[in-house]
Amino acid sequence: SQQGEEDPQALSIQEGENATMNCSYKTSINNLQWYRQNSGRGLVHLILIRSNEREKHSGRLRVTLDTSKKSSSLLITASRAADTASYFCATDALGQGAQKLVFGQGTRLTINP
Amino acid sequence: DAGVIQSPRHEVTEMGQEVTLRCKPISGHNSLFWYRQTMMRGLELLIYFNNNVPIDDSGMPEDRFSAKMPNASFSTLKIQPSEPRDSAVYFCASRESGSPLHFGNGTRLTVT
Repeated sequence: SQQGEEDPQALSIQEGENATMNCSYKTSINNLQWYRQNSGRGLVHLILIRSNEREKHSGRLRVTLDTSKKSSSLLITASRAADTASYFCATDALGQGAQKLVFGQGTRLTINP
Repeated sequence: DAGVIQSPRHEVTEMGQEVTLRCKPISGHNSLFWYRQTMMRGLELLIYFNNNVPIDDSGMPEDRFSAKMPNASFSTLKIQPSEPRDSAVYFCASRESGSPLHFGNGTRLTVT
């Protein structure tokens, strides 16, 4: 089954507004990770939240995790044009020795100046 | 730290030819992953290694695809023979267990 399904598929907002992206997954996890991908480049890790955490902050990023609903959200506050990118979530599933990471289709975020 | 290094950056080849993609993971990382990204299918996990041993190759699409990791500092993904539907961006990534992935900048493969 596919882990890490992001929602919405695309999001377009004005600079300065907040952007919220959601992620749902299907199995129990060790942690959930958010990544960013600029066009033509590899994914870059943004933030990791462990299964026993409910919220985590990093600069303008805020991530929440609800293990009962198997969902997570990524909030980018005070968005900037440079935040334009695709954002992916990925989960480290429980019980897998080498912990493979499976990504969703991503959310394409566009920040309009 | 130079990060994950992939080569070549771009590869254009004709159908039926053999293609070899290369990856040098970050020193000290014990897991290595190969992903393929297309517009239609998104980011697909092809295969991953732990301590140079292939753990799960269930994502490898066909027998035409093979991957090796002869040592901790090098891996290859080979397609033989290549087909136009193999055209995609192929990413290599590495990490220590339980830590975030570090991606290379990918190899853009075009098969004509």
